[in-house]
Amino acid sequence: GENVEQHPSTLSVQEGDSAVIKCTYSDSASNYFPWYKQELGKRPQLIIDIRSNVGEKKDQRIAVTLNKTAKHFSLHITETQPEDSAVYFCAASRGSSNTGKLIFGQGTTLQVKP
Amino acid sequence: GAVVSQHPSRVICKSGTSVKIECRSLDFQATTMFWYRQFPKQSLMLMATSNEGSKATYEQGVEKDKFLINHASLTLSTLTVTSAHPEDSSFYICSAGETSANYGYTFGSGTRLTVV
Repeated sequence: GENVEQHPSTLSVQEGDSAVIKCTYSDSASNYFPWYKQELGKRPQLIIDIRSNVGEKKDQRIAVTLNKTAKHFSLHITETQPEDSAVYFCAASRGSSNTGKLIFGQGTTLQVKP
Repeated sequence: GAVVSQHPSRVICKSGTSVKIECRSLDFQATTMFWYRQFPKQSLMLMATSNEGSKATYEQGVEKDKFLINHASLTLSTLTVTSAHPEDSSFYICSAGETSANYGYTFGSGTRLTVV
């Protein structure tokens, strides 16, 4: 089955700096790669996603890149703010929402210092 | 957008009792729902895939007789933790995908289960 590895487990940056979180996946059939932000005790919130037919996607300060050949994808947050502090999870799925279960990475605790 | 309602948000039960958690898709039909468990400071671990009108598919290591899943309609899936033990204390969260849409998962608000 699918296995998703996420690094680093913790990341501390200064406000205004960039943060990068990386994930690798094992199932070459995976074709959907979302990123979630989770605050303590809350549900995961989708912040950006990318499908396998796209190499890069950007939404304001957040961007995701995908390298299908190497089976890895990364989250980039620019101009970080204290409110970006949270746990971030990558995930991978091989199908549509009807059939494709999401497998999550281990999570990255991001701390943005003011 | 798609909304998934999960109840209860918190529950405390005694060891040996059973607890039922409900997950409802409010404004869409969900052929498939997913149940996850999350221990403190850990990731979301998929427990099972709930399929409307058929048996759930459990992930390796998840006891199907302990975690009973029922998906009787296109808008409701339930997870029952039977004979709960303190080690079952965790955050349980469901996820559903809209039948007519590819990709896109909506999560419930989660249930904090504490077994005493």
